[in-house]
Amino acid sequence: KQEVTQIPAALSVPEGENLVLNCSFTDSAIYNLQWFRQDPGKGLTSLLLIQSSQREQTSGRLNASLDKSSGRSTLYIAASQPGDSATYLCAVPGAGNMLTFGGGTRLMVKP
Amino acid sequence: DGGITQSPKYLFRKEGQNVTLSCEQNLNHDAMYWYRQDPGQGLRLIYYSQIVNDFQKGDIAEGYSVSREKKESFPLTVTSAQKNPTAFYLCASSTAPAIGGYTFGSGTRLTVV
Repeated sequence: KQEVTQIPAALSVPEGENLVLNCSFTDSAIYNLQWFRQDPGKGLTSLLLIQSSQREQTSGRLNASLDKSSGRSTLYIAASQPGDSATYLCAVPGAGNMLTFGGGTRLMVKP
Repeated sequence: DGGITQSPKYLFRKEGQNVTLSCEQNLNHDAMYWYRQDPGQGLRLIYYSQIVNDFQKGDIAEGYSVSREKKESFPLTVTSAQKNPTAFYLCASSTAPAIGGYTFGSGTRLTVV
């Protein structure tokens, strides 16, 4: 059974810092990995989708990498801003097309 | 713009009542899903459907029911058998397989009064 772990569980940083959020998964037989953002009381917003054939994806200040062989993905946030404060979730599809989520990283960026 | 619409945003249920949460998508996705999220906890799968007129139980299906009569719609009924229904409910959709990733709705917050 696929298991997804995110480290750290919580992170508090001053504005302007570059951040690295980590995601690891146990079964490398995935066809993609997706990073989401969730604000309090809101739904999930898709940030980046990395296909298994790709090594990384970029969107603005966000960059996500994928290393299938080691079962790891990293979300890099450059020049963090208070508006980046949210919970970040990584997820991989498994049997039956169902997503398995990590526990999330709760990020607080202080002005 | 294509997307998923969940309604209502807030829902209050009295003890013993059944309530239905709506989920509609115009993304032409075959697969749809319902997740439950409790405060400070992860997402748990309630039901999913890969195709019209077919659906499967997820990890926590007891006390819930669904239907999939149309490709665009996947309503979730929270029955009186669900003893602790207060939670945030999220609907999602994808192609099957989910090559293009998942799209989530904005959620419905259900509270028992």
